[in-house]
Amino acid sequence: KQEVTQIPAALSVPEGENLVLNCSFTDSAIYNLQWFRQDPGKGLTSLLLIQSSQREQTSGRLNASLDKSSGRSTLYIAASQPGDSATYLCAVIGGGSQGNLIFGKGTKLSVKP
Amino acid sequence: KAGVTQTPRYLIKTRGQQVTLSCSPISGHRSVSWYQQTPGQGLQFLFEYFSETQRNKGNFPGRFSGRQFSNSRSEMNVSTLELGDSALYLCASSLKKDGSYEQYFGPGTRLTVT
Repeated sequence: KQEVTQIPAALSVPEGENLVLNCSFTDSAIYNLQWFRQDPGKGLTSLLLIQSSQREQTSGRLNASLDKSSGRSTLYIAASQPGDSATYLCAVIGGGSQGNLIFGKGTKLSVKP
Repeated sequence: KAGVTQTPRYLIKTRGQQVTLSCSPISGHRSVSWYQQTPGQGLQFLFEYFSETQRNKGNFPGRFSGRQFSNSRSEMNVSTLELGDSALYLCASSLKKDGSYEQYFGPGTRLTVT
């Protein structure tokens, strides 16, 4: 059974710092891995999708890497800003059809001005 | 292109009642998935529909059901509501692109059961 873990559960950093969020999964047979952002009480915003054949994806100040063999992914945020404060979730396809995502519990990020 | 929309956004129901939530996917997306989010359990998969057929189902009791219409709009129904059903219900639509599916989420329906 696929399980996704995110460490740390919460993180507080000063503005301008570079930071790394971690995600690990137990079954390396994944189709893809997706990183999301969630603001309080809101839906999820897709940040990056990494297909199983890829090693990394970049979008602006965000870079996500994937190491299937070790069951790990990292989300790197460069030059953090207060507007980056949110909960970050990673998810993998849970097997069966591709409409079933299995999520970690998320990392709650707070960027202090 | 309009995003995923969900109605209603907020709902308050009493234990024992039933409720129906609606989701309209992004135009052209044929897959719709539903998730329940609670503080204790996080995000959990409920079910997925593709072309009006349930393609996958999570580990939830039979009180939770859904359907999809020919225009890909989807509804989920919860019967005999329990206090523990209070949650944010999210739906997501997806389209196969470059061999993979990227899911796009709606804003959610906040259900409170009293």
